[in-house]
Parts: sequence; C-alpha cells; structure tokens
Amino acid sequence: NAGVMQNPRHLVRRRGQEARLRCSPMKGHSHVYWYRQLPEEGLKFMVYLQKENIIDESGMPKERFSAEFPKEGPSILRIQQVVRGDSAAYFCASSPTYGDYNEQFFGPGTRLTVL
Amino acid sequence: KQEVTQIPAALSVPEGENLVLNCSFTDSAIYNLQWFRQDPGKGLTSLLLIQSSQREQTSGRLNASLDKSSGRSTLYIAASQPGDSATYLCAASNTNAGKSTFGDGTTLTVKP
Repeated sequence: NAGVMQNPRHLVRRRGQEARLRCSPMKGHSHVYWYRQLPEEGLKFMVYLQKENIIDESGMPKERFSAEFPKEGPSILRIQQVVRGDSAAYFCASSPTYGDYNEQFFGPGTRLTVL
Repeated sequence: KQEVTQIPAALSVPEGENLVLNCSFTDSAIYNLQWFRQDPGKGLTSLLLIQSSQREQTSGRLNASLDKSSGRSTLYIAASQPGDSATYLCAASNTNAGKSTFGDGTTLTVKP
C-alpha cells in the first residue's frame, strides 16, 4: 500500500505564473488535507476536502488559491499568479474513510520556490 | 480557536539520555493528539496517536501521554540516539475528521 504521493517534489515558478500541486491519498482514504509550512514556521492548515466536496477551507487565502478533489484522480492545490511570499513547502495528508481514528498520513511535500 | 505550543523550541542532549518533549493546547475538547517527526527538508512521519479517551500510547522507546484537563501532552524518548535528531511536532484535532492544529515543534539534537 503506497503512502501519500505528492508531485512534483520541487516546483520553481516565476512571479505571476500558476502553480499546480498534486496529491494522491493512500488507498482507501477519502479525506485529504493541505497544509503549508513557510520557512522557519510551523504547519498551517489550509483546506480539508472529501471527494468532490470542500469541507473546510478556513485556512485558505481568499484570493489566488483554490483546491479540488475530483471523483477520479488526485487532489489539486492551485495557486494563480504566484508571488514570492507563496514560497513554502506544501504538504498533503490523508486519513481513513471509516472508523474512529483521524490519524493523518503525510506525503513528502512539494517545495515551491517563486523567483 | 485551538492553539498549540511546544516548549522548548530546541533541545540538545548527550546520547543515551532520557528526555521529555512538551506540548500544550488551549482547547481541551480535543478528539485526538498526534506526534510527528520531521527530518530537515522531508515530510512528516507519524509517531503516535492518542485518542481523547486514552492517557498514553507507547511505541518502542517512545511514550506519549495525554492530560486533557491540564491541556498537556508529553513525548518521552528513552535512551536517546543520534538518529533521533529531528524536529518533533504535536498536532491536536478537535473532530474525528477535520483539520489538525500544529505546534511549531521542538528541534532535538542528540550528540554522540
């Protein structure tokens, strides 16, 4: 059972370009979470999704950021018109569909650098 | 709003020493608390998950405790090794399916 997969692992964009980050949850997991870790800071929650639904986006910046988790395929975090302040590590986590546990399993992250 | 604090921010110990990492949270109505390890430039590895109904969990040389009434959790590492050097993060979740709130971590260095 492969773990949470994220790609690309490293992404370089120039200011004004778009960044698309992908996350494939563990098999059998239908809950996906995105977190951002700015340099020298802790992880901050961005968004929580289930298949075809955004459950909690309270941590998402109001502009330029969007996320989706379609019925088929990976979850996508999209950042439009990137700025230097978007440079960070973006982590995806998934958790099981059933049961009492909310144990989150993390992917290796995508490190975004905006030039 | 849940807030999680980890003290100290950094800790350096000689190899073989037992140590305790601290995590405090402001909202005691947590569903679970999870401890992670993060190596430089890497992702997070889950170490232990404690449900709100539990008081502790053990895995190998690691033992995590949870005291909801005081808003505290500790991670005990026995017989520390240089390979334990990493940043340790705790995260509190207030629902059975939802976001976790992370502390800023404690960076541990174990000197040979």
